[in-house]
Amino acid sequence: KQEVTQIPAALSVPEGENLVLNCSFTDSAIYNLQWFRQDPGKGLTSLLLIQSSQREQTSGRLNASLDKSSGRSTLYIAASQPGDSATYLCAVRPMDSSYKLIFGSGTRLLVRP
Amino acid sequence: DVKVTQSSRYLVKRTGEKVFLECVQDMDHENMFWYRQDPGLGLRLIYFSYDVKMKEKGDIPEGYSVSREKKERFSLILESASTNQTSMYLCASSSPGLSSYNSPLHFGNGTRLTVT
Repeated sequence: KQEVTQIPAALSVPEGENLVLNCSFTDSAIYNLQWFRQDPGKGLTSLLLIQSSQREQTSGRLNASLDKSSGRSTLYIAASQPGDSATYLCAVRPMDSSYKLIFGSGTRLLVRP
Repeated sequence: DVKVTQSSRYLVKRTGEKVFLECVQDMDHENMFWYRQDPGLGLRLIYFSYDVKMKEKGDIPEGYSVSREKKERFSLILESASTNQTSMYLCASSSPGLSSYNSPLHFGNGTRLTVT
């Protein structure tokens, strides 16, 4: 059974710092991995999607990598800003259940001014 | 940009009431989903639909039903609301596109339902 883990559960950094959020999954048979952002009391916003054949995707200050064989993905945020404060979730689409996403429990990020 | 709209941000209902949560997307997406999100349990899939009038159970369908009469609208129904259905409900949609498994999921802003 696919499981997705995000460590740490919470992270606090000073503004301007570069940071890495981690996501691990137990079964490498996936179609893709997606990173989301969730602000308090709101829905999820899709940030990046990495297909299983890709190694990384970039959008602005965000860079997501995927190492399928080791079951790991990282989300790199450059030059963090207070506006980056949110919960970041990763989710995988398993090959044995193509409509479903399996979500991690998220990392709550606080960027201090 | 894809827009997924959930009709209510906050709802308060009484135990035993029939509750309708509505979701509309404007991008002609075939796939639509209902999740609930609870602290410590993360997001759990309730139901999904891959076409009009088609539906599939997710991981926790008990106590819920759904309706998809039109492509753009996917409704979640709580037949008889109970306190353990107090939660954040999130609707999402995606398009099969040319490579169906690599279509990103787009979420609405959620409905915070409280059942008293």
